Amino acid sequence: QKEVEQNSGPLSVPEGAIASLNCTYSDRGSQSFFWYRQYSGKSPELIMFIYSNGDKEDGRFTAQLNKASQYVSLLIRDSQPSDSATYLCAVYSGAGSYQLTFGKGTKLSVIP
Amino acid sequence: DTAVSQTPKYLVTQMGNDKSIKCEQNLGHDTMYWYKQDSKKFLKIMFSYNNKELIINETVPNRFSPKSPDKAHLNLHINSLELGDSAVYFCASSQDRANLYEQYFGPGTRLTVT
Repeated sequence: QKEVEQNSGPLSVPEGAIASLNCTYSDRGSQSFFWYRQYSGKSPELIMFIYSNGDKEDGRFTAQLNKASQYVSLLIRDSQPSDSATYLCAVYSGAGSYQLTFGKGTKLSVIP
Repeated sequence: DTAVSQTPKYLVTQMGNDKSIKCEQNLGHDTMYWYKQDSKKFLKIMFSYNNKELIINETVPNRFSPKSPDKAHLNLHINSLELGDSAVYFCASSQDRANLYEQYFGPGTRLTVT
């Protein structure tokens, strides 16, 4: 059974610091990796995706992928209180599965 | 304009009742999904339809029956509701099943079974 693991947190960081969120996955054949952000009481929204090993940067967000170690991470630089949310890692295993497997999410709290 | 809408937003009902949740998307997407998010925030796929055809049917009790009258609508009917059905149900859509990574989620329906 495909699994996606995340530390549920809460992860607390001071405003302006770097927040580091991690995710591991069990299916070695997984192809694509996604980070969704979910504010309390709201629906998830896609913020980053990554396919290849290495880093992908978008503004204050950097996604890192290490397929050999089967982990993906999300770094948020210059964290703001508005970044406080639950971050869901999702994995697409490909092979005609046509679905994403989500982790349980990490709750991030940015302290002003 | 709301991209993915769901009704109702809140649903409180008693055990044993039958209820439906409706979902509509105006994005012109081919693929729609139903997810269940429990109290621990675990988001789990239930069903997926591509152009009105069922393509994903995870291990879900057969009390849950999805229906897609056209590719813009995906409704969820639940028979004989149980306490464990209490959760937030999200509808989502993607351009097609190949581009499933960018899924647009509806606002969710919070179902409480008493």
